[in-house]
Amino acid sequence: GQQVMQIPQYQHVQEGEDFTTYCNSSTTLSNIQWYKQRPGGHPVFLIQLVKSGEVKKQKRLTFQFGEAKKNSSLHITATQTTDVGTYFCAGREGTYKYIFGTGTRLKVLA
Amino acid sequence: ETGVTQTPRHLVMGMTNKKSLKCEQHLGHNAMYWYKQSAKKPLELMFVYNFKEQTENNSVPSRFSPECPNSSHLFLHLHTLQPEDSALYLCASSLTSGETQYFGPGTRLLVL
Repeated sequence: GQQVMQIPQYQHVQEGEDFTTYCNSSTTLSNIQWYKQRPGGHPVFLIQLVKSGEVKKQKRLTFQFGEAKKNSSLHITATQTTDVGTYFCAGREGTYKYIFGTGTRLKVLA
Repeated sequence: ETGVTQTPRHLVMGMTNKKSLKCEQHLGHNAMYWYKQSAKKPLELMFVYNFKEQTENNSVPSRFSPECPNSSHLFLHLHTLQPEDSALYLCASSLTSGETQYFGPGTRLLVL
């Protein structure tokens, strides 16, 4: 079955530094979603990417979908303490479900 | 956010107990999901319901029994659980299956 891996598993950054998490799928994805889960919270939808090579921006967050639609990345510019949490990608498999990645836990040191 | 609610928020149960988790969504969605989130593991999809019909059972043990009486409510009935079933159980909903999912706050379950 489809597997979705994320690297790194953990990342500690100094506030103001940039951060990137990478998502890799064993199969081609029809689309990919990104979620953020704050400590003690639940996953919250951030964005969806559909097209090959697509790039979307949300303020300091930049999301990219690979040309082969098997990988994706999330880049945060100038991290802030509010960026703390675990970032998950989720690749769509078939009609009914998304396979979630292993997640990258981000800690931002003030 | 109160679009998807879950009760109880915390649950401690013995291995011989029977309990149920409840999920309710107020978003007018037609698809609902159960996920299990354990430490050091990715979110594991358990069940998917689309228009009240179960469309996915991700090889979940029979000690977990879902019920979807209508598009707004989803239950997870638990019986004779094992300690390794201790986890955060998350409910989610989407307009239809495969769309953006909105998660509830989860039920943190501890099986003793």
